[in-house]
Amino acid sequence: DTGVSQDPRHKITKRGQNVTFRCDPISEHNRLYWYRQTLGQGPEFLTYFQNEAQLEKSRLLSDRFSAERPKGSFSTLEIQRTEQGDSAMYLCASSSGTRILYEQYFGPGTRLTVT
Amino acid sequence: QKEVEQNSGPLSVPEGAIASLNCTYSDRGSQSFFWYRQYSGKSPELIMFIYSNGDKEDGRFTAQLNKASQYVSLLIRDSQPSDSATYLCAVVWRSGGYQKVTFGIGTKLQVIP
Repeated sequence: DTGVSQDPRHKITKRGQNVTFRCDPISEHNRLYWYRQTLGQGPEFLTYFQNEAQLEKSRLLSDRFSAERPKGSFSTLEIQRTEQGDSAMYLCASSSGTRILYEQYFGPGTRLTVT
Repeated sequence: QKEVEQNSGPLSVPEGAIASLNCTYSDRGSQSFFWYRQYSGKSPELIMFIYSNGDKEDGRFTAQLNKASQYVSLLIRDSQPSDSATYLCAVVWRSGGYQKVTFGIGTKLQVIP
């Protein structure tokens, strides 16, 4: 399968715990994006990498959130001291810099529930 | 933050009819426009993109862009029950040297057999 993959698919955690999600983009894609989506809303942009460089970060991303893409391949998104308001679907998408920008392909998402 | 407006619906159409989904955006300089389909509990799936004014057709889908009026629409011909999903409009705009994207809230489409 050459699509975007995310792990885990579901995560239940208690408030105050730290969680980490992983995203593996389509192999030839150099751009990787993280979004958050809550029920009834469209995806909200969180951050964006081109290769290993984090080029853009939303103001929605508080200092409890951090993302990395150390070798320009997979990426991780960590949420520290989770709050109930962090409960959402976290989506990863990738695109190729040699193709039309923002023709993004999404992974299946990680659904986070904070209790 | 730039605005992308969609009617949340639901939009109900009978099977075989044309479904028309609309999206308006606030940034006149927006460059490219995407339609995604999202089934309940699943992630968005890219259907079409359009950059130039006019129509772009792909199978049963037609995207229409009018930059002067700042709207983009998606027509689905011969609607099928399997088309029942939420359709997200995404608009790309430029800020600070980077391209950014804003999604609408999506329009829920129900195709009635």
